[in-house]
Amino acid sequence: NAGVTQTPKFRVLKTGQSMTLLCAQDMNHEYMYWYRQDPGMGLRLIHYSVGEGTTAKGEVPDGYNVSRLKKQNFLLGLESAAPSQTSVYFCASRGGVENEQYFGPGTRLTVT
Amino acid sequence: GENVEQHPSTLSVQEGDSAVIKCTYSDSASNYFPWYKQELGKRPQLIIDIRSNVGEKKDQRIAVTLNKTAKHFSLHITETQPEDSAVYFCAASEGYQKVTFGTGTKLQVIP
Repeated sequence: NAGVTQTPKFRVLKTGQSMTLLCAQDMNHEYMYWYRQDPGMGLRLIHYSVGEGTTAKGEVPDGYNVSRLKKQNFLLGLESAAPSQTSVYFCASRGGVENEQYFGPGTRLTVT
Repeated sequence: GENVEQHPSTLSVQEGDSAVIKCTYSDSASNYFPWYKQELGKRPQLIIDIRSNVGEKKDQRIAVTLNKTAKHFSLHITETQPEDSAVYFCAASEGYQKVTFGTGTKLQVIP
């Protein structure tokens, strides 16, 4: 039982490049989330999903796209990276009897 | 949407003293209030949570209180230890969907 995993752990992009971050969970949770964490700003929700095949915008969705083709996976895409997207990205899933939210280990992304 | 405010942003206490972190929320429909601890370079970890049908919950040295009327909730850590040093986040959620986080409190426990 790995919980929530994220790949990659680190990435450096040049402005304008694209990439996809992968989140996977093995807890059969319905809900999955992508957050970004910047110094002094806590965790801000980018996009989320309430089930396979569904996605919704969070607080800061601009510049990102997501897909949830399989229940266990939630992908975050950056089509044209910008320096403002330099951040630590956390994926999370939520579900189970207690409906608690669990985080992945994070991806540190730098855009130069 | 929900707005969660958290105070203080930094807190220093002597080892063995108590620490209190306070949060307020705006959406009266919120009914789930988790607290997370994040150590440097690590993921946020759930340490305790409270639901709106309960006023207080304890787990060893950690307790959380909730005042629904005033829309505020607090984290209390007693007998603090150096390993309690971390950033703590409060959060609020309505139903089973979005969780809104506070901006965090950096707690330093001085040996």
